[in-house]
Amino acid sequence: GAVVSQHPSWVICKSGTSVKIECRSLDFQATTMFWYRQFPKQSLMLMATSNEGSKATYEQGVEKDKFLINHASLTLSTLTVTSAHPEDSSFYICSARVAPPGTSGSSYEQYFGPGTRLTVT
Amino acid sequence: QKEVEQDPGPLSVPEGAIVSLNCTYSNSAFQYFMWYRQYSRKGPELLMYTYSSGNKEDGRFTAQVDKSSKYISLFIRDSQPSDSATYLCAMGGVNQGGKLIFGQGTELSVKP
Repeated sequence: GAVVSQHPSWVICKSGTSVKIECRSLDFQATTMFWYRQFPKQSLMLMATSNEGSKATYEQGVEKDKFLINHASLTLSTLTVTSAHPEDSSFYICSARVAPPGTSGSSYEQYFGPGTRLTVT
Repeated sequence: QKEVEQDPGPLSVPEGAIVSLNCTYSNSAFQYFMWYRQYSRKGPELLMYTYSSGNKEDGRFTAQVDKSSKYISLFIRDSQPSDSATYLCAMGGVNQGGKLIFGQGTELSVKP
């Protein structure tokens, strides 16, 4: 259980174009999803917290107009990198917080997707 | 000072060794603690999760939490080459909206 998928697993795009990354919880409902960015040999950097049906909460220093997040359902969140530039090249990972049925989401485990490697040329 | 400090490694051990991975933290409001394993170019995989001080065992893995000292550890017994990965500690508090604060990660290599 608690499987999270991401699509695509890797993408190459030209500078100035937009890229959409999907994050799905396959066998559970996720009231909250998180988007992280990771540079080589570094830890995870939280970009934003995404709650189903409401606007995402962005961490300080993350441009909300550049990294558009939509959490349309309890199993799907999307991150769109708009007008991508080479400095946006990175490993983007989503996670989903388990919300056991019949609870108010009191579980705190996060399950991660496999990540999406974005290269902007 | 970072909220979570983790020994950066890298750590290299022979197969079969006992591995000890450690993190310290400064925020006494942290209440839940996790260890993740991350293979190269993959997403982190949840290994252990605990709320309370003390030990929690799962197979070859033991997670230890000492809230009074603000110190957590992950022990790996009978380490295998397949354990070679980066290990991340993570923690959070109930008032932080489910966010996790991660350590810097320790890169472990288990040599056959």
